[in-house]
Amino acid sequence: SAVISQKPSRDICQRGTSLTIQCQVDSQVTMMFWYRQQPGQSLTLIATANQGSEATYESGFVIDKFPISRPNLTFSTLTVSNMSPEDSSIYLCSVDGGRGGYTFGSGTRLTVV
Amino acid sequence: DQQVKQNSPSLSVQEGRISILNCDYTNSMFDYFLWYKKYPAEGPTFLISISSIKDKNEDGRFTVFLNKSAKHLSLHIVPSQPGDSAVYFCAASGGNTDKLIFGTGTRLQVFP
Repeated sequence: SAVISQKPSRDICQRGTSLTIQCQVDSQVTMMFWYRQQPGQSLTLIATANQGSEATYESGFVIDKFPISRPNLTFSTLTVSNMSPEDSSIYLCSVDGGRGGYTFGSGTRLTVV
Repeated sequence: DQQVKQNSPSLSVQEGRISILNCDYTNSMFDYFLWYKKYPAEGPTFLISISSIKDKNEDGRFTVFLNKSAKHLSLHIVPSQPGDSAVYFCAASGGNTDKLIFGTGTRLQVFP
């Protein structure tokens, strides 16, 4: 299955600033997924990123707040813009890992102060 | 609207015994179900899956049971080992989408 390198692993950011999270996959994949896990909550899909097209956002998530880039089949970034403490979460990228399961990156633990 | 529910936030089991983690869902369109394990500071790791055409799938110490009429699935771990201590998420997908809907997770602790 694919191996994902995600960074940064954690960050503490000031409110009003932006953070870009990167995910590098060791093989070419068509779709990459970005999830958020707020404290005590389940993993929630933010958007699906296809190479060469705009990302598809889930209800409650907008491109201005979470812009996504997908410049090629092995790389994607998620930016959390104009952060507030409510954005403090774990952010994860994911790809189809085969066998019906998905492979996840190790996550980025974001704290906004 | 929580479509996938894991009503037990935590479970404690003695080593060697069976661990049973439960998951309920509300959307009858779901036709594929997965279990993930998550250690602290790591992303979720895929464990086992089951499609709605089956009622049981087994992989080593892990068995998933699906009861479609009750919209319920469970993960059995036998025998439980201390290394199984982690948060377990169930997830579901269905219809014409690959999107996964996750439960809130159950923290399993296996003690010696």
